[in-house]
Amino acid sequence: GENVEQHPSTLSVQEGDSAVIKCTYSDSASNYFPWYKQELGKRPQLIIDIRSNVGEKKDQRIAVTLNKTAKHFSLHITETQPEDSAVYFCAASKRGRKLIFGQGTELSVKP
Amino acid sequence: EAGVTQFPSHSVIEKGQTVTLRCDPISGHDNLYWYRRVMGKEIKFLLHFVKESKQDESGMPNNRFLAERTGGTYSTLKVQPAELEDSGVYFCASSQGGGDQPQHFGDGTRLSIL
Repeated sequence: GENVEQHPSTLSVQEGDSAVIKCTYSDSASNYFPWYKQELGKRPQLIIDIRSNVGEKKDQRIAVTLNKTAKHFSLHITETQPEDSAVYFCAASKRGRKLIFGQGTELSVKP
Repeated sequence: EAGVTQFPSHSVIEKGQTVTLRCDPISGHDNLYWYRRVMGKEIKFLLHFVKESKQDESGMPNNRFLAERTGGTYSTLKVQPAELEDSGVYFCASSQGGGDQPQHFGDGTRLSIL
């Protein structure tokens, strides 16, 4: 069935370093890939998304890359700050339907 | 513009009781989704409405769960009777119609079954 695998499950970096989270999806028909940030006790917040007709998208310190052939997409955060600490979820969907989420990555940025 | 709102924020009930969760989507959003996160695991899909119609209910765990969206505005999710394994955080999300639009999430309802 449809599946999204996300790695790593936990990630600890020093402030100022980069963080990379990787996801792999199983359904080749998936065409929309959002990333959500969830701080403790708060709602998942969309931070960036990418569609299958684009290979890379960047928004300030955050970038996402997509490799359709490998069915793989990644989130890159540069110059990390303590406020980037949260759980990050990748997801995949097709044609405006349900999001299939990865297992989540708990990112800790140490000052 | 108001975001997705959910009520209650937290509900504690005993096994066998009934609970109803409510979601008010962003005004004008035809798509409304219910998701659940159990015990720190991944967020899992439950149900998708397009206006008042159920587009996809493949994620509903069993017939103890009933979702409605009368009139195509707010939605309710009823659990009856609640079981221990139903505990978790229930999220609602909404998006505009027409293709791959971003889904915006509410704060969730934390449901605890004792």
